[in-house]
Amino acid sequence: DSGVTQTPKHLITATGQRVTLRCSPRSGDLSVYWYQQSLDQGLQFLIQYYNGEERAKGNILERFSAQQFPDLHSELNLSSLELGDSALYFCASSAQGEGFTDTQYFGPGTRLTVL
Amino acid sequence: AQSVTQLDSQVPVFEEAPVELRCNYSSSVSVYLFWYVQYPNQGLQLLLKYLSGSTLVKGINGFEAEFNKSQTSFHLRKPSVHISDTAEYFCAVSRSSNTGKLIFGQGTTLQVKP
Repeated sequence: DSGVTQTPKHLITATGQRVTLRCSPRSGDLSVYWYQQSLDQGLQFLIQYYNGEERAKGNILERFSAQQFPDLHSELNLSSLELGDSALYFCASSAQGEGFTDTQYFGPGTRLTVL
Repeated sequence: AQSVTQLDSQVPVFEEAPVELRCNYSSSVSVYLFWYVQYPNQGLQLLLKYLSGSTLVKGINGFEAEFNKSQTSFHLRKPSVHISDTAEYFCAVSRSSNTGKLIFGQGTTLQVKP
């Protein structure tokens, strides 16, 4: 158990809908990362927040947005869903948010299926 | 731009045999290198990382990796595998910046047979 929790575990929805994925980081960690894992794209970095502020952005679609709240939990919002958004979405957390010193601890993921 | 190439998508091996999972990276700047393991239906777990210093890095579960700057490689090795090592293994890089962004390879499935 990494200490990172993600809810829900599974999500099934229809095209065009909007969903929210939630992540609670390990106690004391200030940085949260979101990754998408799909069969065709592999594991891709989406976005990083550090202590409530956006720190780095990857291949995140404009239909997707994220935020980190004062209690440090984070939410990833996916809207106007398409079939291709079906994937496993991972959240990770680290103490500070610097790649060369921190270890990222991954949650178990949320599996999103868009029908 | 930086990228990570894992040269084998699947590696079948018998129990107690040695294994090497290959990873090559491309980057014009210094990078930091990681190996993660993903067991079925679980999140990723860090096996080991190279930040600086000794090029031979030891990790958890008996794994080790060697950083080779001239060949831009970071291959993962284990001298004797167990059935429980069956999993997907990901090589990743991070640039020397103030972010934690990880670039992952496509993954290698290690299948350990009895």
